[in-house]
Amino acid sequence: QQQVKQSPQSLIVQKGGISIINCAYENTAFDYFPWYQQFPGKGPALLIAIRPDVSEKKEGRFTISFNKSAKQFSLHIMDSQPGDSATYFCAASMGGGFKTIFGAGTRLFVKA
Amino acid sequence: GAVVSQHPSWVICKSGTSVKIECRSLDFQATTMFWYRQFPKQSLMLMATSNEGSKATYEQGVEKDKFLINHASLTLSTLTVTSAHPEDSSFYICSARDLGLAGVLDEQFFGPGTRLTVL
Repeated sequence: QQQVKQSPQSLIVQKGGISIINCAYENTAFDYFPWYQQFPGKGPALLIAIRPDVSEKKEGRFTISFNKSAKQFSLHIMDSQPGDSATYFCAASMGGGFKTIFGAGTRLFVKA
Repeated sequence: GAVVSQHPSWVICKSGTSVKIECRSLDFQATTMFWYRQFPKQSLMLMATSNEGSKATYEQGVEKDKFLINHASLTLSTLTVTSAHPEDSSFYICSARDLGLAGVLDEQFFGPGTRLTVL
């Protein structure tokens, strides 16, 4: 029940295309859903995050879509660029300092 | 933005020795810091939750006597890998929550990671 399932494992997108990564969770107590971007040899960096009281959040080229009833959320990267090539992790946590559960990660490669 | 540093960024040690990794929040106070371990091409695995002034809470399967965590101040947590062996070689990452934003912003700020290689 604590798992966050992420797909696909890897993704290849043409430059300018849309990258879509999906995640699903079971625990309805989760109330914070961040997405992290990680480059090789570096720590993860927060990209964008959402709470379950909204269905969509957009920041620049990055959009989170959230479906509370289906317990699913996804990251959309519009106009994907080669510099977006990285590993992306979805995550979920409960507020108040509880630990964060990470998805398995998606390795994105954007072809120039 | 909030910055978390780690030192060293990489370390190579001989089997049987101990290695200390520092995690610092540079511009904010953190009552809670987290230590993760990441193997190549895998996700982050939470090892322990470090709380300032109290004992760390370890995840199931993590040996607390092998991975010693100390959180002596609101800006510093240390992870000591004792009697390191080659299987301890990994990428260790810490993160911290901003005390001032607790309950308002649940974001974790991650350090750059420490690559440990045990020969």
